[in-house]
Amino acid sequence: AQSVAQPEDQVNVAEGNPLTVKCTYSVSGNPYLFWYVQYPNRGLQFLLKYITGDNLVKGSYGFEAEFNKSQTSFHLKKPSALVSDSALYFCAWSDYKLSFGAGTTVTVRA
Amino acid sequence: ETGVTQTPRHLVMGMTNKKSLKCEQHLGHNAMYWYKQSAKKPLELMFVYSLEERVENNSVPSRFSPECPNSSHLFLHLHTLQPEDSALYLCASSQNRGEFYEQYFGPGTRLTVT
Repeated sequence: AQSVAQPEDQVNVAEGNPLTVKCTYSVSGNPYLFWYVQYPNRGLQFLLKYITGDNLVKGSYGFEAEFNKSQTSFHLKKPSALVSDSALYFCAWSDYKLSFGAGTTVTVRA
Repeated sequence: ETGVTQTPRHLVMGMTNKKSLKCEQHLGHNAMYWYKQSAKKPLELMFVYSLEERVENNSVPSRFSPECPNSSHLFLHLHTLQPEDSALYLCASSQNRGEFYEQYFGPGTRLTVT
């Protein structure tokens, strides 16, 4: 079955350190990949997407993601994490509907 | 604010009650979605509407009944729910229904079935 996977349930980093949230995909053809973030008691917010073209995608709030076809990965990155980045992050793929990974809880400590 | 609003934000209902969830999008989008988010489970797509026509129903029990009277409004009518239906119900919209359109989500309705 086609899917995305987020291998880490939790990621903990110190403020100011680089943040990486991992996502791998198992999707045939050209994958359309997305990242969303969910803050406590809120809905999901779109961060960025990969459709085609440049493998490095820049998104909201200083986040970027790199599409790597050989490793079938689409990891989310931020060079310097903030405490306010603490949230639940979802990777998703789309084939006319979004299918989400299980989510990764990010905690950034001051 | 994402341009998608949901009411009520919290709802407690008994198993014999009938209630409705409301979603409104102010983005001029043509597609709308209902999702269910339960603890420890991936988001589940329930229904998809495109141009006010239901185009997808993911094996959702009949106690959930969607309605899309126009492209800006989406309802989820609830009746005779079960305790396992307690969850966060999220509404979303996108410009069109397609693989590369991002979706914009409302804040959700936290439903508790007693």
